[in-house]
Amino acid sequence: DTAVSQTPKYLVTQMGNDKSIKCEQNLGHDTMYWYKQDSKKFLKIMFSYNNKELIINETVPNRFSPKSPDKAHLNLHINSLELGDSAVYFCASSQAITQGVKTQYFGPGTRLLVL
Amino acid sequence: AQSVTQLGSHVSVSEGALVLLRCNYSSSVPPYLFWYVQYPNQGLQLLLKYTSAATLVKGINGFEAEFKKSETSFHLTKPSAHMSDAAEYFCAVSDSTGGFKTIFGAGTRLFVKA
Repeated sequence: DTAVSQTPKYLVTQMGNDKSIKCEQNLGHDTMYWYKQDSKKFLKIMFSYNNKELIINETVPNRFSPKSPDKAHLNLHINSLELGDSAVYFCASSQAITQGVKTQYFGPGTRLLVL
Repeated sequence: AQSVTQLGSHVSVSEGALVLLRCNYSSSVPPYLFWYVQYPNQGLQLLLKYTSAATLVKGINGFEAEFKKSETSFHLTKPSAHMSDAAEYFCAVSDSTGGFKTIFGAGTRLFVKA
């Protein structure tokens, strides 16, 4: 049983397109996250939702829009894709971050390549 | 604001040798500290974490780390490297000032030579 799953695993697309990445967790966690890992392996948080409410919103272009239909799902929609969006996007989940520091569980990543 | 510095983007050891990966943190309040490991083409998984209990923390796969407040360090060690330890290792810090947001270091790639 996969704890945190992401689809698709690979995504190759043209500049200017719109794409979505989906994430699901079956751990019963309240908090979910999106991270971007660049080509130098630097990992940066983008967004976090706790129980469907946005609680962390870093300096990210507004072309990126997260959506949490329920606390087990967190999707990431990207409009007008640019070359610089090429990266690995990781979803993660944890127990409620609003109650303190929690261990995060990561998905396998979605490798996005914008041509 | 909290931050993490990992000294050395690449570390190479021989199989059976000591592994030492360095991490220094900055935090204005007592921190929580983590080491995560990332194997090729996989997500990160927790190796160990410090949450203000014992300063010497033991993790999975024989790794351990020691919290040293005076040195603001949380170095990761393993007495004897195995080929399967080759991976990217991330130190991370979190505290209450950032809404418990976790900040990751730049990562250290560990190479293990036969």
